[in-house]
Amino acid sequence: DSGVTQTPKHLITATGQRVTLRCSPRSGDLSVYWYQQSLDQGLQFLIQYYNGEERAKGNILERFSAQQFPDLHSELNLSSLELGDSALYFCASSEGTGTEAFFGQGTRLTVV
Amino acid sequence: LAKTTQPISMDSYEGQEVNITCSHNNIATNDYITWYQQFPSQGPRFIIQGYKTKVTNEVASLFIPADRKSSTLSLPRVSLSDTAVYYCLVGAEYGNKLVFGAGTILRVKS
Repeated sequence: DSGVTQTPKHLITATGQRVTLRCSPRSGDLSVYWYQQSLDQGLQFLIQYYNGEERAKGNILERFSAQQFPDLHSELNLSSLELGDSALYFCASSEGTGTEAFFGQGTRLTVV
Repeated sequence: LAKTTQPISMDSYEGQEVNITCSHNNIATNDYITWYQQFPSQGPRFIIQGYKTKVTNEVASLFIPADRKSSTLSLPRVSLSDTAVYYCLVGAEYGNKLVFGAGTILRVKS
């Protein structure tokens, strides 16, 4: 158990809908990262937050947005969903913005 | 962010030592080298991190030559359960975007 909690574990929704994925980082970790991993694809870095502020942006679509709240949990919002958005979405946290991060078990999103 | 190059895949047999090399020619002075392991449908797991020379923990060893332009992850006596994707990341301890490359698929056979 990495200490990073992601909810829900599974999500099935229809095209055009909007969903919110939630991540609770490890206790004391200030940095949160979001990743997308499609079937047989690599980990695509989406966005990083540090202590409530956006720190880095990767290949995140305009239909996607995220935020980190004062209690340090983070949410990833995906809107106008398309079939191609079906993937595993991982959240990771780290104490700072360094490279030793701990990953959650992921949310498997299926868009039908 | 330093670019890394790893073999796409490697095969090994149970009980053998496996060495996976990562090239990072443009590594910066304040960059660390970190390796992660990922099993199918699971999040990556931190294995080991180092800056220079050799680092060893209960899972693996990391060898970094003096010029730091490459590094080698060594897994002693692998088992079937070591079959996974292994990622090499290079970046500063702070301020890194934590971007993963394609990784190396390690297949351990019996």
